Amino acid sequence: QKEVEQNSGPLSVPEGAIASLNCTYSDRVSQSFFWYRQYSGKSPELIMSIYSNGDKEDGRFTAQLNKASQYVSLLIRDSQPSDSATYLCAVNGPNQAGTALIFGKGTTLSVSS
Amino acid sequence: DADVTQTPRNRITKTGKRIMLECSQTKGHDRMYWYRQDPGLGLRLIYYSFDVKDINKGEISDGYSVSRQAQAKFSLSLESAIPNQTALYFCATSDGTGTGSKFFGPGTRLTVL
Repeated sequence: QKEVEQNSGPLSVPEGAIASLNCTYSDRVSQSFFWYRQYSGKSPELIMSIYSNGDKEDGRFTAQLNKASQYVSLLIRDSQPSDSATYLCAVNGPNQAGTALIFGKGTTLSVSS
Repeated sequence: DADVTQTPRNRITKTGKRIMLECSQTKGHDRMYWYRQDPGLGLRLIYYSFDVKDINKGEISDGYSVSRQAQAKFSLSLESAIPNQTALYFCATSDGTGTGSKFFGPGTRLTVL
């Protein structure tokens, strides 16, 4: 059974610090990887997607993918209190047209001012 | 206007009642999904549909059924609700480009007494 693992947290960082969120996945042939942010009581919001090994940067967010080690991470630079949320890692299979996302349970991030 | 809408947003019902949750989207996406979210368990896929004539079970389909009335509408039914179906339910959509990303509705909070 395909699995996506995340530390549940909470991960606590001070304002302005770098927050590092990690995710591992079990299906070696997975091809697409996503990070969602979810505020309490709200729906998940896609913030990053990554498909190839290496880093992908978007503003204060950097997604890192290492397929050989089967992990994907999310770095948040200059963390702000508004970044406090649960971050969900999601993984898709090799046949992107035919599979649905598998989600991790999420890591709760708390940024203190 | 929201791209993905869900009705009702909140529902309290009793054990044994039949409940229907509705989802509509204006994104023009072919693919629609139903997820449930429970504290500590993350998002789990219930059913998904890649077009009007295509319905697929997810990892936790027991006790649920779905209907894809049109490209834009996807309904989830609980034929005989039970307390452990108390959860936050999300509808999601995606396009067919293969990116696998999902756009989520605002969620329906269902309580079964």
